[in-house]
Amino acid sequence: DTEVTQTPKHLVMGMTNKKSLKCEQHMGHRAMYWYKQKAKKPPELMFVYSYEKLSINESVPSRFSPECPNSSLLNLHLHALQPEDSALYLCASSQPKRGGYNEQFFGPGTRLTVL
Amino acid sequence: DAKTTQPPSMDCAEGRAANLPCNHSTISGNEYVYWYRQIHSQGPQYIIHGLKNNETNEMASLIITEDRKSSTLILPHATLRDTAVYYCIVTGTASKLTFGTGTRLQVTL
Repeated sequence: DTEVTQTPKHLVMGMTNKKSLKCEQHMGHRAMYWYKQKAKKPPELMFVYSYEKLSINESVPSRFSPECPNSSLLNLHLHALQPEDSALYLCASSQPKRGGYNEQFFGPGTRLTVL
Repeated sequence: DAKTTQPPSMDCAEGRAANLPCNHSTISGNEYVYWYRQIHSQGPQYIIHGLKNNETNEMASLIITEDRKSSTLILPHATLRDTAVYYCIVTGTASKLTFGTGTRLQVTL
């Protein structure tokens, strides 16, 4: 299984809602990532988890809250988002190796619209 | 991480080789060159990476100049399914990928 799955595929939420995005992989990878991609722009790294610990937070606002409950699962909890947070949210995973990390496998993304 | 410069767009006829250039003149000795592509409405897909030597896999070849200041991704026989945005990324750690604006490759009949 070389797939990263993300649910839901599409999400529409109001600014006062609380919702969560879910990402799952069964490749045994111990690093997982969240990226944000605005329309016609490249993906931007948000968070990196390594061995279930948060290792990189790219100064993301606290209304985005990541969680890695186990080595296969990654969540992104959303609260009090703004319309400008509407974007494609991509999850990826990779396997750490001596001196670095192997290539990242990306999921198809969740398209989020904030009204 | 070193910055990269890629042409914004390129065209290629189906069946011909697509050669996508990337400049990374500030690359340092321990940084790798990675290539990913993103087909419309999908997540990015890893293609290939290299440090100094040329590399080849089932998808593409990567040619890195001797001074490592530039590289070329070669898709030997482009098909319509290769139409995508191609990102050249230089990084010392593959845990932190900084995507530039990439090259939009259009493969035509």
